[in-house]
Amino acid sequence: DVKVTQSSRYLVKRTGEKVFLECVQDMDHENMFWYRQDPGLGLRLIYFSYDVKMKEKGDIPEGYSVSREKKERFSLILESASTNQTSMYLCASSLWTSGVRYNEQFFGPGTRLTVL
Amino acid sequence: SQQGEEDPQALSIQEGENATMNCSYKTSINNLQWYRQNSGRGLVHLILIRSNEREKHSGRLRVTLDTSKKSSSLLITASRAADTASYFCARLTGANNLFFGTGTRLTVIP
Repeated sequence: DVKVTQSSRYLVKRTGEKVFLECVQDMDHENMFWYRQDPGLGLRLIYFSYDVKMKEKGDIPEGYSVSREKKERFSLILESASTNQTSMYLCASSLWTSGVRYNEQFFGPGTRLTVL
Repeated sequence: SQQGEEDPQALSIQEGENATMNCSYKTSINNLQWYRQNSGRGLVHLILIRSNEREKHSGRLRVTLDTSKKSSSLLITASRAADTASYFCARLTGANNLFFGTGTRLTVIP
């Protein structure tokens, strides 16, 4: 079975802390994504990566950075957490097929981050 | 907005009834995908329909796409309590960008 795992289901951090969210996929997918989900706003893309060490900004990259040192692992970093980064964070992966990045996406269970 | 609209925002039906959710968008698409999200969990892919397709089926799910009206619908037949979830459409544009809607919250009453 295809699997995407995220390091934590729930996380509580304080303002100004550095936060690491980890995502691992076991499907050998080229593409990996980080989204945040907020009520009334749907899913918004933060960053994605189409290969090891490659990354591109999504719609809302401000305040975030990412790291992809290995194909199966994609990390989201909040350099200095702020209260407006309280949200549900979802990781996803997909195959690159025929030049299309966004084929079927496989999502992890999500990390609910609260910044106090 | 690039995100388009999902309609209705919430839907409540009795078990055994059919549920229809709609998705409208503004720009041309490469494909359109439907996902389900159970409460507080990650999304699960349901169906992908390409821009040159008009209808697709998967079990009790039927998706239609009308590119002239820039709209899609998801029909769940003979609904079950386990279908209670939020349903999202995601539109892949020609520029290889994927936009999710805000979802329809479906409640199936046993």
